[in-house]
Amino acid sequence: EAGVAQSPRYKIIEKRQSVAFWCNPISGHATLYWYQQILGQGPKLLIQFQNNGVVDDSQLPKDRFSAERLKGVDSTLKIQPAKLEDSAVYLCASSRGQDTDTQYFGPGTRLTVL
Amino acid sequence: QKEVEQDPGPLSVPEGAIVSLNCTYSNSAFQYFMWYRQYSRKGPELLMYTYSSGNKEDGRFTAQVDKSSKYISLFIRDSQPSDSATYLCAMSALQYGNKLVFGAGTILRVKS
Repeated sequence: EAGVAQSPRYKIIEKRQSVAFWCNPISGHATLYWYQQILGQGPKLLIQFQNNGVVDDSQLPKDRFSAERLKGVDSTLKIQPAKLEDSAVYLCASSRGQDTDTQYFGPGTRLTVL
Repeated sequence: QKEVEQDPGPLSVPEGAIVSLNCTYSNSAFQYFMWYRQYSRKGPELLMYTYSSGNKEDGRFTAQVDKSSKYISLFIRDSQPSDSATYLCAMSALQYGNKLVFGAGTILRVKS
């Protein structure tokens, strides 16, 4: 079974620029998560999708971050405009359902904002 | 005060040692407790999953949960250099939609 795929793996941008990350979850997984992991910290949930609907986006900075999951499969996370404090690894995870199912993580996209 | 506290380390041990990793938490609503292992430049992978209090063993790994003390532990027996990674504790509760709350992670280095 193929794992969660993410691209790009690394991205360097200047502040105030925009950036987008892409995630392809494990086939058949209904739930998709985006996490932000700042260096030295644990992952923090940004947004959770169940199929193509948003379940939880309470910690998503909506003035600059947006995410979509069209057709309930792939997802993109966008930051516009980026700030220095957005430098982090952005992890995508997926699970079969919503409750206690195991979350499988992708390798992440490391973003550096200069 | 953070919801989940975890000593960042690094913890350095010789090969073959028994390793003890710990987390404390403040929210008594947490019911599900997990340990993830994260290698450098990789995503976290689930190691152990425990519901409520008690022990769970899987090979060289043992997870313990003490809900009365709000304290969880992961023990690694006969540690190997390949165990060198960051270990993240995570926990969740049904009333919060099972959203995972992670500790900061402990860096473990096993020296051969």
